[in-house]
Amino acid sequence: NAGVTQTPKFRVLKTGQSMTLLCAQDMNHEYMYWYRQDPGMGLRLIHYSVGEGTTAKGEVPDGYNVSRLKKQNFLLGLESAAPSQTSVYFCASSGIGTGVYQPQHFGDGTRLSIL
Amino acid sequence: ILNVEQSPQSLHVQEGDSTNFTCSFPSSNFYALHWYRWETAKSPEALFVMTLNGDEKKKGRISATLNTKEGYSYLYIKGSQPEDSATYLCALDRGSTLGRLYFGRGTQLTVWP
Repeated sequence: NAGVTQTPKFRVLKTGQSMTLLCAQDMNHEYMYWYRQDPGMGLRLIHYSVGEGTTAKGEVPDGYNVSRLKKQNFLLGLESAAPSQTSVYFCASSGIGTGVYQPQHFGDGTRLSIL
Repeated sequence: ILNVEQSPQSLHVQEGDSTNFTCSFPSSNFYALHWYRWETAKSPEALFVMTLNGDEKKKGRISATLNTKEGYSYLYIKGSQPEDSATYLCALDRGSTLGRLYFGRGTQLTVWP
């Protein structure tokens, strides 16, 4: 039971570099989310997707882009990394089920440092 | 901006103590309240999803209550154990935003042996 898998787990980038974080889920969930977690700030939503081919902005979308070309995958891109994007990134997914009562299932996180 | 507040921010208790903490949220547009348990170096895990005013959920020594009219939920841990040490998050589901949750900043619980 893989659940939600994030790759990579750790990464160090230089300012201005680009990279893509991959999130894959094997639960056939419709909804997927990218969060960042910073000390004292809790989880903040970056972008989310309600289905294949659709994405929407969350609370802190600037500097990030996302794509959901396949239902099971949700990619988070940093086009030009900045030190302010140093954070731990969590991906989550949830199913529709009965309304929107379904809890979100989280990956193990990606620790990203921008130098 | 939708404020989901959790208090206290951190809590230190002795093994065997019972404890509780609060999640406050705007009572308008309420659809469901989620509680998560987040251990250090792991990912958040769902504890409860609560939907009805007066709802009470229980999982082992952990239980939660919900008051949607006044906009709060309590999480209780009876007889805390060191393995209960974690951050407990609550999150509001407003129902209109397709599964999107609004998270509080969490209560960090440390249980000393």
